[in-house]
Parts: sequence; C-alpha cells; structure tokens
Amino acid sequence: DAGVIQSPRHEVTEMGQEVTLRCKPISGHDYLFWYRQTMMRGLELLIYFNNNVPIDDSGMPEDRFSAKMPNASFSTLKIQPSEPRDSAVYFCASSFGVDYEQYFGPGTRLTVT
Amino acid sequence: QKEVEQNSGPLSVPEGAIASLNCTYSDRGSQSFFWYRQYSGKSPELIMFIYSNGDKEDGRFTAQLNKASQYVSLLIRDSQPSDSATYLCAVNLILTGGGNKLTFGTGTQLKVEL
Repeated sequence: DAGVIQSPRHEVTEMGQEVTLRCKPISGHDYLFWYRQTMMRGLELLIYFNNNVPIDDSGMPEDRFSAKMPNASFSTLKIQPSEPRDSAVYFCASSFGVDYEQYFGPGTRLTVT
Repeated sequence: QKEVEQNSGPLSVPEGAIASLNCTYSDRGSQSFFWYRQYSGKSPELIMFIYSNGDKEDGRFTAQLNKASQYVSLLIRDSQPSDSATYLCAVNLILTGGGNKLTFGTGTQLKVEL
C-alpha cells in the first residue's frame, strides 16, 4: 500500500482565496483524521470521520473551514476564505479502528500571504 | 491547564545514554496512550502505545504508565543520533456514547549528541 496520500504538498495562496486540500486514506481504514500543526499550538485535531461520516468537528476553528468525505477513498479540507493565520502544515491520517495506530500522510504546507 | 503537557526541550543527551521523556494528562478517563516520533519536516510515526499501568518494552524503547499520577513516560536506552527528533505524547479518551478524542502534546525535542 502507498500509505496515506495528500495533495498538494505545498500551497501558497493569497489571503481571501479558496484552498482545497486532498487526502486518500489507506485502503481498508475506516477512520480518517484531519490535523493542523503549528509551532505555537502543536498538532491539533480538526475533524475526524468514521465510515465517511463526520463524527467530531469540534476542532474546526471556524466556519471558514469545511471537510467532506464523499467516499471511503477520498476526503477534502476546504478553507474559504483563507487568512494568513491559517498558515500551517495540515496532516491527514487514517486508522483501522478508533483506538489504533494512526498513519499520517506527508502533510500539506500551506502559506497564506 | 493543558490537556496533555510535555516539556518542549530541547533535551540533550550523549550518545549511549538513556533519554527520558515525560508527559502528563488532565483527564482521568483517558484510556490509551501513544508515543509518536516526528523528524523535522516529516510526519509523525508511532513508536509505542500503552493501555495498562506499568511498563511496556519494545527493543530500546520502554513506555511507562501511571494512571493514578496521570503520567506517561518514554525511555530510550542506548540513545543514538538517529533518535534526534520531536517526540509527541498522545492521549485517547473514549467518549460515552461512542467516538473518541485524541489529544497530542506539543512535543519534546530530543537531541542525541556524539
């Protein structure tokens, strides 16, 4: 298996633009997680899905953030409109079961100018 | 109080020494505990997990859990320069009614010096 795949790996955009991050989990995993990592706040859970259904989105910072999982092999995290404080590395992770090892993708480094 | 607390470091140890990384958590209902290693510019990867009080050993790594003191630690024996990384403690709380909440600490940077 290729592991968790994320795209793009780097994204530079201007404030106010829409940003869409993409994730393909490991085949067979039924949980998918979106995290954001910054130096100041560390690794923060934004939202997670179980069998394509959002379970907990309490970590989503505000309405500008939205996430979808239309099928078992694809998820998106969208920021609209983007702001400079959204600059961070965004990780997608998947797991087989809620209390098992999470496998992380390589991350998307987002810079909003 | 943060839910999961770690000393940010850096923690410097000489090659061959034992590195001790510590983590405290605030929620007594926490049920499982994970240590992830993250190299600079890379994604986190799991090193150890522990569910029960006591010690769990895997090669050079030992995880220790004390639920009464709400404390979990990671010991690395015979530290190598390749162990230099940031170590993230993660605590999983299974919520009543289903679902879980995984919270990461901000990590401890370990430097193993030649």
